Amino acid sequence: AQRVTQPEKLLSVFKGAPVELKCNYSYSGSPELFWYVQYSRQRLQLLLRHISRESIKGFTADLNKGETSFHLKKPFAQEEDSAMYYCALKGYGQNFVFGPGTRLSVLP
Amino acid sequence: DTEVTQTPKHLVMGMTNKKSLKCEQHMGHRAMYWYKQKAKKPPELMFVYSYEKLSINESVPSRFSPECPNSSLLNLHLHALQPEDSALYLCASSQDGTGTAKLFFGSGTQLSVL
Repeated sequence: AQRVTQPEKLLSVFKGAPVELKCNYSYSGSPELFWYVQYSRQRLQLLLRHISRESIKGFTADLNKGETSFHLKKPFAQEEDSAMYYCALKGYGQNFVFGPGTRLSVLP
Repeated sequence: DTEVTQTPKHLVMGMTNKKSLKCEQHMGHRAMYWYKQKAKKPPELMFVYSYEKLSINESVPSRFSPECPNSSLLNLHLHALQPEDSALYLCASSQDGTGTAKLFFGSGTQLSVL
């Protein structure tokens, strides 16, 4: 079975502070991991994916197979980063499974 | 065109009504999805079509009936729904069913069942 967990429902940080949104997964094969973001009144959209090893809007995420984690990090949070963040796993076929989400609130 | 378009944006229906949700994409994507999202919850996968064939049905009740008339269109036919079916229904597409792909989401249809 494939499962994604995000332990924090809400994470509040001050502007300029580092931020880390945690994601853990369980999957028997080789997973593909993604972070999706939903800004207020906007559609759900891809932020980044582990296979690309990219940095988007200052965010990075590293897949740690030993710890089965894919935490999202940014060294200096901005107010515009406030949004709902979902970690997602693509397992067999086209089965994308989403974690419960973490709402990030960046305070001024 | 890099968008997934869903209509209608809002729908109110009674438990005896029959209605349909529509989704369209013109990006040449060959996999299309229906997700259900309740308030403050993550999207839950309902159906996946790959190359116009139903490839995943996540044990969805038969009152939800998907249809993929062609590679650009995806419908969700609704009949005899229950109030607990009220939710945001999201359509998504991805390039194909193999390899790494990302999901493109529509803005959703907010469904209320009275």
